[in-house]
Amino acid sequence: DGGITQSPKYLFRKEGQNVTLSCEQNLNHDAMYWYRQDPGQGLRLIYYSQIVNDFQKGDIAEGYSVSREKKESFPLTVTSAQKNPTAFYLCASSRGQSNTEAFFGQGTRLTVV
Amino acid sequence: GENVEQHPSTLSVQEGDSAVIKCTYSDSASNYFPWYKQELGKRPQLIIDIRSNVGEKKDQRIAVTLNKTAKHFSLHITETQPEDSAVYFCAASQDFGNEKLTFGTGTRLTIIP
Repeated sequence: DGGITQSPKYLFRKEGQNVTLSCEQNLNHDAMYWYRQDPGQGLRLIYYSQIVNDFQKGDIAEGYSVSREKKESFPLTVTSAQKNPTAFYLCASSRGQSNTEAFFGQGTRLTVV
Repeated sequence: GENVEQHPSTLSVQEGDSAVIKCTYSDSASNYFPWYKQELGKRPQLIIDIRSNVGEKKDQRIAVTLNKTAKHFSLHITETQPEDSAVYFCAASQDFGNEKLTFGTGTRLTIIP
């Protein structure tokens, strides 16, 4: 274990509140990703970043925001605009140089109460 | 964008038998196809990958085949063991500045002792 760390492991949020999920990596990877995992739907890409200060929307970006101010950090904010935020969120990183292995964090389970 | 379909969604095999999981992709520009294994409560981890310049790759009991013409690739596990029980995800991505991984919906493999 180690290399890419997500925190917290479990997170509870009240409806209408924004919440930020942390993702840190010490692998010196250029690329970082956020995926959402729901039962029967696999891993769906929310946002990704291939370099510092740049990021792109994935397939389900609505209601989410990210920043990439440092190479090792890629926090995800789940906003109140996300209609169904309860899910398991996985962060990943890779070297970003053409077809390289993605390393995943242990995930954050977000529950809206 | 890329769309990856994966079948079956669940698969049960007797210990010692073989298991096959199939994926199709839509974007002919995709040229990297990894497979990830996610054990219960753990993060996904890469088990094998294949690039478009080869048709088959083996690693002990695991093999992956790729048919670029038909746009499908498969994971083969031989002599299955209880520790092979997990959810398996296929994925596809491109090269050179567009390395984001698009995942299939996953296959829950259960090995029956």
